[in-house]
Amino acid sequence: SAVISQKPSRDICQRGTSLTIQCQVDSQVTMMFWYRQQPGQSLTLIATANQGSEATYESGFVIDKFPISRPNLTFSTLTVSNMSPEDSSIYLCSTEITGGRSSYNEQFFGPGTRLTVL
Amino acid sequence: AQSVAQPEDQVNVAEGNPLTVKCTYSVSGNPYLFWYVQYPNRGLQFLLKYITGDNLVKGSYGFEAEFNKSQTSFHLKKPSALVSDSALYFCAVRESYNTDKLIFGTGTRLQVFP
Repeated sequence: SAVISQKPSRDICQRGTSLTIQCQVDSQVTMMFWYRQQPGQSLTLIATANQGSEATYESGFVIDKFPISRPNLTFSTLTVSNMSPEDSSIYLCSTEITGGRSSYNEQFFGPGTRLTVL
Repeated sequence: AQSVAQPEDQVNVAEGNPLTVKCTYSVSGNPYLFWYVQYPNRGLQFLLKYITGDNLVKGSYGFEAEFNKSQTSFHLKKPSALVSDSALYFCAVRESYNTDKLIFGTGTRLQVFP
């Protein structure tokens, strides 16, 4: 398993500002994922972040709005840029402990960052 | 494209009674299915998964799920519900053999009454 922590746990931000969310894993992992969970809705994958390469964004999400860093095998950040009230969500990071791409292992999730944009 | 459907927004059950949270899937190949639980103000926790093999999968906290290929279902079950089981439950499917992307259902809120 993996223990994942996120900072901050919650924040209230003003429109037009940016927030960087940190995700720390207690072991080295290849792939990290960032999800968004809007109020009362399911999880939507924002992007996949592999160490040493550019993040891969899902349809509807762009790097200018959600820049991601992956400086090493235990850490990643997601920035929510130029925020609007529509960005109010819970943002979760996750990872998967794999022995190979076909391992079909479960993903482990951080506790989430609850963002409110005024 | 792969997808999962959770037809019930909320399930109510009395403590001690059996519970079922429904999930159906649509995949183009072999299904890789997962159940997660989200307690209030906490992240998702893995409960169980079906990859291959026995259709009845046992997981954490006494939960189990039955994979039914003919009905394309993967319902979550527990013989005797606890009040502490009250949470939001998500079914998920892996998008394909070659990716790690999970597609989540819309979630079912389970409420167990004393």
